[in-house]
Amino acid sequence: GAGVSQTPSNKVTEKGKYVELRCDPISGHTALYWYRQSLGQGPEFLIYFQGTGAADDSGLPNDRFFAVRPEGSVSTLKIQRTERGDSAVYLCASSKNRVDTEAFFGQGTRLTVV
Amino acid sequence: TQLLEQSPQFLSIQEGENLTVYCNSSSVFSSLQWYRQEPGEGPVLLVTVVTGGEVKKLKRLTFQFGDARKDSSLHITAAQPGDTGLYLCAGGWTGNQFYFGTGTSLTVIP
Repeated sequence: GAGVSQTPSNKVTEKGKYVELRCDPISGHTALYWYRQSLGQGPEFLIYFQGTGAADDSGLPNDRFFAVRPEGSVSTLKIQRTERGDSAVYLCASSKNRVDTEAFFGQGTRLTVV
Repeated sequence: TQLLEQSPQFLSIQEGENLTVYCNSSSVFSSLQWYRQEPGEGPVLLVTVVTGGEVKKLKRLTFQFGDARKDSSLHITAAQPGDTGLYLCAGGWTGNQFYFGTGTSLTVIP
């Protein structure tokens, strides 16, 4: 596609449920990043993929969060046993090869845990 | 953990005024980027600076990277309502991800 696509755009889930957030990067981009953002704040780094492997997952807040990118393209961020504090906008970005080339962001998935 | 602090956090000015946003860190970065984000959208890259002391201009926006590559500033001349948005700096190291600053929310009043 022309840009980074994230689905769903909005997700409301009950506390304790499992959710999956999907990111379709720009075709051919090998680097993919997940961030989460609270209202009016800067995005907080979660995980960075180079190809299929997680180059840096130091930003994942705890073991309830996990992300995969099995074929080096689409990525899924998985959150188990969701908590109200997980509510945020989850942003995905991709770049051609590594991070010091321009990163293109999707519109984000707004997750609300009730 | 956010390595970069931006100031001010909020800024509301009249159309035509000038403003400067600051991005500071105790870390040295190999490059620094500035993004602008509108509500409901992802951040959009404005500029990347890589050399200490570097100055880049984008129409009415002037970006400077500090000599020590720890800080940066964004200056907007004659602000317009279309400049309204969340301005984000992001610092990174070659081969790694970028860390975003705390953000500056700018409102330009017509």
